[in-house]
Amino acid sequence: EIVLTQSPGTLSLSPGERATLSCRASQSVFNLLAWYQQKPGQAPRLLIYDASNRATGIPARFSGSGSGTDFTLTISSLEPEDFALYFCQQRFNWPLSFGGGTKVEIK
Amino acid sequence: QVQLVESGGGVVQPGGSLRLSCAASRFSLPIFGFYWVRQAPGKGLEWVAYLQSDGSNEYYGDSVKGRLTISRDNSKKMLYLQMNNLRPEDTAVYYCIFCTSSACYFDHWGHGSLVTVSS
Repeated sequence: EIVLTQSPGTLSLSPGERATLSCRASQSVFNLLAWYQQKPGQAPRLLIYDASNRATGIPARFSGSGSGTDFTLTISSLEPEDFALYFCQQRFNWPLSFGGGTKVEIK
Repeated sequence: QVQLVESGGGVVQPGGSLRLSCAASRFSLPIFGFYWVRQAPGKGLEWVAYLQSDGSNEYYGDSVKGRLTISRDNSKKMLYLQMNNLRPEDTAVYYCIFCTSSACYFDHWGHGSLVTVSS
């Protein structure tokens, strides 16, 4: 099973600041990685797929990069609605797996 | 707007069974596959099951293999999860997901249905 490790566990930032979230895979997943955002009491929503492609309706301030084992989700300038939990997920092989999540909180 | 609505959750005793349903409405996109993903209270996400839209491939997470079964009725745009021999560690919010691209990421989520396994 591929283990995804996200860091940091919590990121404390102010609106307008840049957020950089990391996801590391225990083996190469090529570019078969996605990022999801989850707000309290809501289902997650797909932000980025195949490492760097924004999903439909996702603002341009969200970007993804990386390949192989190291991936990054960047939020260029945090909006109030971006404070949430973020998960990465690989679809390279079964079983599909998620990272443990990074919480982006208001400083 | 696409909507997926789960039903069938509730409280069940250990060893018991439950069937979750997921109904799609206003869903005009092509469907490539279906998933169930769960989230224990205050925890992260865990993939549970996958079914290809034509039924040709079916996969399960190790923790649920042999106890949970995913199925669908394409004509009714319904997805199901039959849950047998439930354990306390199955307690979670269960999300149904329809994927609408060949890459089949988790792109359309239901609102979730809480299953509590407790005596």
